[in-house]
Order: sequence, then structure tokens, then C-alpha cells
Amino acid sequence: GESVGLHLPTLSVQEGDNSIINCAYSNSASDYFIWYKQESGKGPQFIIDIRSNMDKRQGQRVTVLLNKTVKHLSLQIAATQPGDSAVYFCAENRDDKIIFGKGTRLHILP
Amino acid sequence: DAGITQSPRHKVTETGTPVTLRCHQTENHRYMYWYRQDPGHGLRLIHYSYGVKDTDKGEVSDGYSVSRSKTEDFLLTLESATSSQTSVYFCAISESIMYSENIQYFGAGTRLSVL
Repeated sequence: GESVGLHLPTLSVQEGDNSIINCAYSNSASDYFIWYKQESGKGPQFIIDIRSNMDKRQGQRVTVLLNKTVKHLSLQIAATQPGDSAVYFCAENRDDKIIFGKGTRLHILP
Repeated sequence: DAGITQSPRHKVTETGTPVTLRCHQTENHRYMYWYRQDPGHGLRLIHYSYGVKDTDKGEVSDGYSVSRSKTEDFLLTLESATSSQTSVYFCAISESIMYSENIQYFGAGTRLSVL
């Protein structure tokens, strides 16, 4: 079936290194993608978005890459900090509805 | 949390009792949503609203009803709570459903336990 999913449920990264969180989607008609961050006990927080007519978008310490050929989305976090520890969700806009993936937990190692 | 207040933040109730969760926004956004979040399922849409008195069902609407009598308030009601409705409930808002205006902003959540 069609779904938004994540390659890895948990990712551990050394503090100061770059983190890469991956997401696969199966609906080629999806035209807009969003990454959210959810810290423990809080609601999801918008990080960055990208439209399907773009390959890359950069924010503050974050970059989202979109590969439409293989239906793959990634979130790169530069110089990972302890405050980056959270669950990260990708989401896609499909028929004007946002479909959320299940999330990847990012652990920061000291 | 983007001008979104959920109340209560925590609630424990008994099976069969009615429960109402409230979402209040100060952003004047047209769209409001209720999600539940459970381990292994991620965020699942319960109901949403596209204007005052305009609501529609999401993927897990059975056992839930909603009402929106004012732009700023969106209520979620469990008419007769069941243990399967134990979950964390999130309210979200968005300006529009078109492209980048469909960024949804979330409240802090309500943790509901049905015993």
C-alpha cells in the first residue's frame, strides 16, 4: 500500500557529527513534504519543508534533500547538539491532506 | 506552541464516561485538526475542521465527535470512553491546505488514560 515511512526507527550520532535521517515515500503524486521534530512530552514542531519542484532546501543547520526518482527524502542536521535529541517525522501532502510517517528517534552520544 | 492551548493536559477517567478535550487557538487559522498518537502508529487524524461548524472525519473517527462553534475553539468529545482510547491527543492548526500553507502547528498534547 501507499505509505510514508522511515528506513530506521532509531539513530545514534556522536555530538558534533552530522545526522542524516531518511524517509521513503511511495506516492509519486505527493507534491509537498515536511519534517517535524518532537521532543519528549511535547507536540511536533515544524522544522523545514520542500516542494516537489525542488531538490534541496536549507535552513539553519538543517538541509532537506528530495530525490523524486527513488522517492526518497532526507533530513541532514549539521553539528548535532544534545538539543537535537528527539523523534523526527517526515510528512507528505497528498490530496491536500498531510500524512505522517512513524518517526525516527535521534540519540545524541556524548 | 504557536498560540495553541490544549486543556486539560492530563486526564484519567473511567470506561463509559464522557470526556471532552478542548483546543483553543489565537492565530485565527481556518483549519483545525485532532490527532491521536500511539506507539507504533504515529499520528493519526481523528477529525478536522475547515471552518466554523464545518467538520469532517479522519481515518480513526469512530467513537469521537467534534464541534467548532467559534474560529478559535475546537472540541473533541469521547461520548463513552473506552480503554482503546487511551492515548496522547494533539490539536493542530493550519492557515490553508494548499502547498506551503498546509504547515500544521501543534499544541502540547493531552494525555488521556481510560481505566
